[in-house]
Amino acid sequence: KNEVEQSPQNLTAQEGEFITINCSYSVGISALHWLQQHPGGGIVSLFMLSSGKKKHGRLIATINIQEKHSSLHITASHPRDSAVYICAVIRSGSARQLTFGSGTQLTVLP
Amino acid sequence: ETGVTQTPRHLVMGMTNKKSLKCEQHLGHNAMYWYKQSAKKPLELMFVYSLEERVENNSVPSRFSPECPNSSHLFLHLHTLQPEDSALYLCASSQGPGRGAGELFFGEGSRLTVL
Repeated sequence: KNEVEQSPQNLTAQEGEFITINCSYSVGISALHWLQQHPGGGIVSLFMLSSGKKKHGRLIATINIQEKHSSLHITASHPRDSAVYICAVIRSGSARQLTFGSGTQLTVLP
Repeated sequence: ETGVTQTPRHLVMGMTNKKSLKCEQHLGHNAMYWYKQSAKKPLELMFVYSLEERVENNSVPSRFSPECPNSSHLFLHLHTLQPEDSALYLCASSQGPGRGAGELFFGEGSRLTVL
């Protein structure tokens, strides 16, 4: 079993729908990243959070440290949101080393 | 433009070739990373270079050798690779410790194909 599990693996939505991607982890962490990878391969960091909730535009990320769970929400989804969304954790005591989930492939249809 | 530039973007090489991937960051960060992304697998850390530490993933074969001549440049030297080494190689940088520490900035990746 991977230390970082994401669900679902694949998600297809209609434009405008509210989307939730989940991430569960089994190790102690100091922070969690949500990343976005487009088909060309480049990766963009969306959020880094260690508690609570962060919001940027239509994206919202939450984390519950006690439950070892984080969610990424996209409101009013758009076809340009289609990408792979990756959850990654920084293990406690390791300032630099990330452990990655397998990613969630999101496709938003017009 | 993310501030992290990787070259080449695509590389095809034979198993007997020697090549290098280059990464340059213009963000003033003090840590740089190489990650490998194989098809259908999670991203895998290969190497970390920072002021505090150099980290090597023990599972990375010796046919991959990193070089970090300064805080802005990172190389991955490749020699006698195998077809299973074909993957997307991603460079990233970050700043830390302190304020703003930890956020990663990735390059566009170098797509490597080993014939």
